[in-house]
Amino acid sequence: DIQMTQSPSSLSASVGDTVIITCRASQRISTYLNWYQQKPGKAPKVLIYVASSLHSGVPSRFSGSGFGTDFTLTISNLQPEDFATYFCQQSFNIPRTFGQGTKVEVK
Amino acid sequence: EVQLLESGGGLVQPGGSLRLSCAASGFTFSSYAMSWVRQAPGKGLEWVAAVSGSDSNTYYANSVKGRFTISRDNSKNTLYLQMNSLRAEDTALYYCVKDVYGIVVVVEDYMDVWGKGTTVIVSS
Repeated sequence: DIQMTQSPSSLSASVGDTVIITCRASQRISTYLNWYQQKPGKAPKVLIYVASSLHSGVPSRFSGSGFGTDFTLTISNLQPEDFATYFCQQSFNIPRTFGQGTKVEVK
Repeated sequence: EVQLLESGGGLVQPGGSLRLSCAASGFTFSSYAMSWVRQAPGKGLEWVAAVSGSDSNTYYANSVKGRFTISRDNSKNTLYLQMNSLRAEDTALYYCVKDVYGIVVVVEDYMDVWGKGTTVIVSS
């Protein structure tokens, strides 16, 4: 199975900050990497697919990049509604695997 | 509106069985692969199983292979997860999820619609 490792596991930030979350795959996965946001008590929502494509309706302050094994999710101008947990997930092969999550908290 | 509504969760003893259902609406169910993803209390997400839209090819996580069976009834717009030989570590919130493509093995695939989940607790 492909192991997905996110860093950091948690971070503290303020409204208006730029936040960068990293996801590393245990083997090369081209650009087949997706990002999800989950708020407490809610189901996850997709933000980014195929590493850098913004899902419909997702604000442009979210962006993704990366290729091979190293990927990043960037949140520019952090908004109050962005405090949540973020997960990466590879779709390169089966089984699909997720990172352990990164919790973005209020500083 | 695209909706997924899970049901069938509950409390079951170790070694027991449970069948989860997911009623889909608002889209052409047979055109899309469907997945189950679970989340243990306070933990991350774990992909459990997936089934293609029309040919019903199935795929499983190693942790559930041989114990869980995913299936679908396209005439009823319903996804199922039959869970046998349940263990304490299967305790989780189980989400029904719609994939973007009709075939599971598409590498560009991602999960675009999630249900609210149904809770499974395995305990004596």
